[in-house]
Amino acid sequence: GAGVSQSPSNKVTEKGKDVELRCDPISGHTALYWYRQSLGQGLEFLIYFQGNSAPDKSGLPSDRFSAERTGGSVSTLTIQRTQQEDSAVYLCASRGTGTQYFGPGTRLTVL
Amino acid sequence: QKEVEQDPGPLSVPEGAIVSLNCTYSNSAFQYFMWYRQYSRKGPELLMYTYSSGNKEDGRFTAQVDKSSKYISLFIRDSQPSDSATYLCAMDRNDYKLSFGAGTTVTVRA
Repeated sequence: GAGVSQSPSNKVTEKGKDVELRCDPISGHTALYWYRQSLGQGLEFLIYFQGNSAPDKSGLPSDRFSAERTGGSVSTLTIQRTQQEDSAVYLCASRGTGTQYFGPGTRLTVL
Repeated sequence: QKEVEQDPGPLSVPEGAIVSLNCTYSNSAFQYFMWYRQYSRKGPELLMYTYSSGNKEDGRFTAQVDKSSKYISLFIRDSQPSDSATYLCAMDRNDYKLSFGAGTTVTVRA
């Protein structure tokens, strides 16, 4: 079956611009996660959606980062006024009853 | 100090060798332990998922958990060039937010 998909696969932007990253989870998975993976670093938790509950935003690094999940399915991670330190791979994962399954990620480069 | 420590390597072994990977952790609240494999420019894929202390085998892969020492290991037997990847350990406090190690890059030489 279809796995987690993310778009775009690569995004190059200029410092100060806003970007939107999209995640399509596995159909039927109620939980959705965003992580950030910087060069040489492990995955850093950003935000977690579970069903209709309020999202756990405890990992968002600043108020420039926000995310929403529409209709309990697709999620969008928005980064406003991007900075060079935001350059990383942004990974989305979804979970049904087991563990998390990851998408291929969006590689963000801020010039 | 990070919650999860993992030697980033890199680790290079000849084909057929045993690959030994490990992570240590400081938070005794971790209950579930996982190993993910990540190929270049791909998302992590789950290899092993364990709960209790002890060993778990799946084909050429063996995961060990020692909760008393806060230490987990992954062994890959009869390693193949296709095993060349970054291996990430991950841990869960049962709040479904995983804490990851930095990943160990492994190269298996043909």
